[in-house]
Amino acid sequence: EPEVTQTPSHQVTQMGQEVILRCVPISNHLYFYWYRQILGQKVEFLVSFYNNEISEKSEIFDDQFSVERPDGSNFTLKIRSTKLEDSAMYFCASSPRGQTSYEQYFGPGTRLTVT
Amino acid sequence: EDQVTQSPEALRLQEGESSSLNCSYTVSGLRGLFWYRQDPGKGPEFLFTLYSAGEEKEKERLKATLTKKESFLHITAPKPEDSATYLCAVQPGGNLIFGKGTKLSVKP
Repeated sequence: EPEVTQTPSHQVTQMGQEVILRCVPISNHLYFYWYRQILGQKVEFLVSFYNNEISEKSEIFDDQFSVERPDGSNFTLKIRSTKLEDSAMYFCASSPRGQTSYEQYFGPGTRLTVT
Repeated sequence: EDQVTQSPEALRLQEGESSSLNCSYTVSGLRGLFWYRQDPGKGPEFLFTLYSAGEEKEKERLKATLTKKESFLHITAPKPEDSATYLCAVQPGGNLIFGKGTKLSVKP
């Protein structure tokens, strides 16, 4: 069964450093998402991506964040200058369609620890 | 403001003891309501999508129902392997808005 994969599973970085989180969505899906979950809190939407551009973003997704689909399979989230409060689980998700009611399939997550 | 509230926050059951989890929501326009299962340190695993009031879906010991204001996840004769956090999410547009989840523990 196809699944979303994410690398690395755990990333430790120092405050102020840049990190890139990587995702391989399910191959025939068209919409891609990043969510985050701070320990003990809700899963929160960050950004959605379709047709090589951002289709929607939350207030959390400020200028420190960017997304890219550098090739036909990868989808990345970059945090330019990490802060302590960026420590969280980051989940990538993909969906066959985004603007109608289609389920989103989540990857296993990347645990980001900022020290 | 779109909002999802799940109750109870935690639920402890004995194996075989059926129960229900609640998800109440306020949303400007509901495209779909989703149930996910999340194990510790893992990503949410898709269970069900419900689109309209009155709809029901079943999968093994789980059954999800939807009204205009809330959804229920019924668990019949649960087993220890059903222990997890169950997340409810609504989709007013493209993204999902999640509740905090109900942490279910099933003791043998």
